[in-house]
Amino acid sequence: DIVMTQSPDSLAVSLGERATINCKSSQSVLYSSNNKNYLAWYQQKPGQPLFIYWASTRESGVPDRFSGSGSGTDFTLTISSLQAEDVAVYYCQQYYSTPFGGGTKVEIK
Amino acid sequence: EVQLVESGGGLVQPGGSLRLSCAASGFTFSSYWMHWVRQAPGKGLVWVSRINSDGSSTSHADSVKGRITISRDNAKNSLFLQLNSLRPEDTAVYYCARSYYYNDYWGQGTLVTVSS
Repeated sequence: DIVMTQSPDSLAVSLGERATINCKSSQSVLYSSNNKNYLAWYQQKPGQPLFIYWASTRESGVPDRFSGSGSGTDFTLTISSLQAEDVAVYYCQQYYSTPFGGGTKVEIK
Repeated sequence: EVQLVESGGGLVQPGGSLRLSCAASGFTFSSYWMHWVRQAPGKGLVWVSRINSDGSSTSHADSVKGRITISRDNAKNSLFLQLNSLRPEDTAVYYCARSYYYNDYWGQGTLVTVSS
């Protein structure tokens, strides 16, 4: 089974500073059939959680200060300039066989 | 507008059973795979189960295998999760989620509490 490992568990960043969350998969989630990474990021707070899919495609309405990157087994969610409304728990998920990472809590320093 | 509304949660004793429902609207329910995801108090999201669009294929997490049944009624735009032999560690908010590869729409969840 694929295991997703997120780091750090929590993160405190000053307003306007960069926040970086890492997600590592125990197996590659890049599938040769369509050359896509089956990796999504979710933000848990009121509203729909889907944030980023195919590792780097922002869902409609997600601010462009959020970006996803990576391929294969190593992925990153970056908030370029943290805003107060970004305080939440963020989860990665590889959706080929569905397990989630453990989550990263983002707070204001 | 896509809507998913869960119901059926509540307090149940260890060893008991519950049937959760998820009412879907705003999309062609029969075209999508559906999932159940749960979250224990203070813990992270955990995938529980999924069913394909016509109900012919299901998959479950090892932690619940043998104790749950996922099903759907495409004529009634409804998803179900039958939980049996419930344990205290099954206490969680249970979410249904639509799947288009990734889980693009989620319900608000229904709380299941397993306690004597």
